[in-house]
Amino acid sequence: GAVVSQHPSWVICKSGTSVKIECRSLDFQATTMFWYRQFPKQSLMLMATSNEGSKATYEQGVEKDKFLINHASLTLSTLTVTSAHPEDSSFYICSARGGGPSTDTQYFGPGTRLTVL
Amino acid sequence: AQSVTQLDSQVPVFEEAPVELRCNYSSSVSVYLFWYVQYPNQGLQLLLKYLSGSTLVKGINGFEAEFNKSQTSFHLRKPSVHISDTAEYFCASTWVGGTSYGKLTFGQGTILTVHP
Repeated sequence: GAVVSQHPSWVICKSGTSVKIECRSLDFQATTMFWYRQFPKQSLMLMATSNEGSKATYEQGVEKDKFLINHASLTLSTLTVTSAHPEDSSFYICSARGGGPSTDTQYFGPGTRLTVL
Repeated sequence: AQSVTQLDSQVPVFEEAPVELRCNYSSSVSVYLFWYVQYPNQGLQLLLKYLSGSTLVKGINGFEAEFNKSQTSFHLRKPSVHISDTAEYFCASTWVGGTSYGKLTFGQGTILTVHP
């Protein structure tokens, strides 16, 4: 139980284009989903918290107009990187909480490697 | 504010030897504590967690951790490691309740390398 998937697992795009990443909780309903980014050899940095049906809460320094988050259902959240640039290249990881084996635990997706050329 | 410090960025060890990965947390309120493992190019997998109760927590793959409130530590241990334990390990905490409930604060990570 408590499986979280992400799609795609990797994506390469041209500078200036937009990229959408999906995060799904496969066997439980996630009341809250989190989006992180991880640079090489670094820890995870929380970007935003999203609750189903409401606007995402962004961490300080994260541009909400650049990183659009939609949490339309209890099993799906999407992160859209708009007008991507090379500095947006990173490993993006989502997690989901709520309704799984433990509501106090975040279950992580496998991550999406974004490379912007 | 809360913070998590992993005292060792890299820990090399030989196969079948014991290992301890150190984690200290800082918080003025009660926290939940977690250890996650990350294999290359993958997401994080939960190893174990401390929410309340017994301070010795057993997790998957033979790992265990002990919550020490006086030392504000949550060190991860395994009595005998395998080559397959080679990965990066993250300690994390979250506040119990409050507006920041559920937000994880991660340590910097410890790369465990098991040598044959």
